[in-house]
Amino acid sequence: DGGITQSPKYLFRKEGQNVTLSCEQNLNHDAMYWYRQDPGQGLRLIYYSQIVNDFQKGDIAEGYSVSREKKESFPLTVTSAQKNPTAFYLCASRGAQNTEAFFGQGTRLTVV
Amino acid sequence: AQKITQTQPGMFVQEKEAVTLDCTYDTSDPSYGLFWYKQPSSGEMIFLIYQGSYDQQNATEGRYSLNFQKARKSANLVISASQLGDSAMYFCAMRGLNTGGFKTIFGAGTRLFVKA
Repeated sequence: DGGITQSPKYLFRKEGQNVTLSCEQNLNHDAMYWYRQDPGQGLRLIYYSQIVNDFQKGDIAEGYSVSREKKESFPLTVTSAQKNPTAFYLCASRGAQNTEAFFGQGTRLTVV
Repeated sequence: AQKITQTQPGMFVQEKEAVTLDCTYDTSDPSYGLFWYKQPSSGEMIFLIYQGSYDQQNATEGRYSLNFQKARKSANLVISASQLGDSAMYFCAMRGLNTGGFKTIFGAGTRLFVKA
């Protein structure tokens, strides 16, 4: 079945470590997104990519990095520069401009 | 700048009643799309309904309808015949379609509680 897969579902990070969250889609979508969600809050855009080998900063990109080497994959790295990384991270992809985004199941990152 | 405002942090509704979740927006894009998503406690985001700014009719999808008032910049979600399974967070979102249509922004959400 077509869809978007995030892994892992839960991730624990020690202070000072970089961690990478995986996002894969088989929907043949050009656009992909990463959002951060804090408890009781809406979604805030971290990075987005319109096409392979291109990506743009969203509203809260500091402390994060991404790559888009393949159409299907858009991994997010949470670096040690991100001071408060504990949150729920959602990846999404989209086809045509006037269509909805499809979301993955999310990754819950906790700093221990 | 684009902005989405959801002014109801929480709403209660009796099972089988209808409920309206409010959403107002601001954008300079002449063409835009409005979306509603449901987020149950599991965390997944479920697409509910879409309204294009130039659509002549209000969108409907089963028990969901969108009360779109362009002049007032509002896009309220109406859920008819509420069910216990409708208890969740609901997010309004917007995407400008003229400026590449890539950046989607979300409101803070409304938590809906359906009472038996």
